[in-house]
Amino acid sequence: QQQVKQSPQSLIVQKGGISIINCAYENTAFDYFPWYQQFPGKGPALLIAIRPDVSEKKEGRFTISFNKSAKQFSLHIMDSQPGDSATYFCAASFHTGGFKTIFGAGTRLFVKA
Amino acid sequence: DSGVTQTPKHLITATGQRVTLRCSPRSGDLSVYWYQQSLDQGLQFLIQYYNGEERAKGNILERFSAQQFPDLHSELNLSSLELGDSALYFCASSRALSSYEQYFGPGTRLTVT
Repeated sequence: QQQVKQSPQSLIVQKGGISIINCAYENTAFDYFPWYQQFPGKGPALLIAIRPDVSEKKEGRFTISFNKSAKQFSLHIMDSQPGDSATYFCAASFHTGGFKTIFGAGTRLFVKA
Repeated sequence: DSGVTQTPKHLITATGQRVTLRCSPRSGDLSVYWYQQSLDQGLQFLIQYYNGEERAKGNILERFSAQQFPDLHSELNLSSLELGDSALYFCASSRALSSYEQYFGPGTRLTVT
């Protein structure tokens, strides 16, 4: 199964709060788990990524938590700001002669000022 | 600005027609990926080219084809267009065959009427 399941579909958070988006996968061949941020009218932009041999990665206010045994990973946005309002996609990639990336369905985040 | 360029920005055409979307990767990137983003299917990987050769295939219809030229720009050809082909088409590029970091272009919005 090459699906990546993402939840919630949408999220409203107060400014300064923590935004949490969750993803789950089944295929153990995935070896790279990126998160992309997309603003309206723009292409997705790589936000942060993790390999399955690491349980957590932090970059500024963004943290990925990775649970290999549960096949789940999540994005935490600390001190959420109105400028973080965007659609967030989790993804999973694997090598297959080339490189394939499977995206989750996306989460629309709205941060209230 | 990711450094990836796509033309045209918008394209409106009729069912049954054929169109060509163009992508120029970031300077120095050898790998090009094509994605389709639609409301019902989300963001889907179509195909990857590396240095002129097809390297990975995703959910690409037989009516669609792509190629990468010696100057590394890529074209996605969509033929016998159907209403359901209306979507955003993104190109992304990366440095090497299996570089994890992909940089997305601004996309081409295709409307089939």
